[in-house]
Amino acid sequence: LAKTTQPISMDSYEGQEVNITCSHNNIATNDYITWYQQFPSQGPRFIIQGYKTKVTNEVASLFIPADRKSSTLSLPRVSLSDTAVYYCLVGGAMNYGGSQGNLIFGKGTKLSVKP
Amino acid sequence: GAGVSQTPSNKVTEKGKYVELRCDPISGHTALYWYRQSLGQGPEFLIYFQGTGAADDSGLPNDRFFAVRPEGSVSTLKIQRTERGDSAVYLCASSFGSDADEQYFGPGTRLTVT
Repeated sequence: LAKTTQPISMDSYEGQEVNITCSHNNIATNDYITWYQQFPSQGPRFIIQGYKTKVTNEVASLFIPADRKSSTLSLPRVSLSDTAVYYCLVGGAMNYGGSQGNLIFGKGTKLSVKP
Repeated sequence: GAGVSQTPSNKVTEKGKYVELRCDPISGHTALYWYRQSLGQGPEFLIYFQGTGAADDSGLPNDRFFAVRPEGSVSTLKIQRTERGDSAVYLCASSFGSDADEQYFGPGTRLTVT
């Protein structure tokens, strides 16, 4: 399974755009890139998933360059409630001979949003 | 609709005791996962069920850990002869399919072994 590397922590202020980059040099052809968010005392929550180029939903955007060796989660205009740990994961597509269905979490990026 | 639920929310037990942790997945989800999370770490995969069978149990740390899902819905994680190192938050997740599908996590059970 592809290993991911992301910053341990980031600080931001309310209203700013936050970009968290994740490296996954050994990503497999059939692997997806998924980001989860975790608040204290809660289980992780799915944010966004992509395979290539750009994906956008109501909470975030995910940018994936052509070589897919990295990805960037973009959170527009963060608020205090976005303070959480963000995990980048690579895997999935078991039915196509890719990685297994289980998720491999790293330590994540602890985002602190200040007023 | 109802999300993934886990009981109990907290469990304190003495070293050497047996514990059972329960997970109720989202109705209709065929895949169920157990993870363990220690303080300051990301969740660590333990076991994955597809229906009633364990499709992948490679994450179970040793033979003291066992999990079942007899009817393809509720799952129980069982830990025998608990050790202080087993203290962690045990998370359960479910998904509709098994590959890149979004996994829905429960709030976890915090296990403390004294």
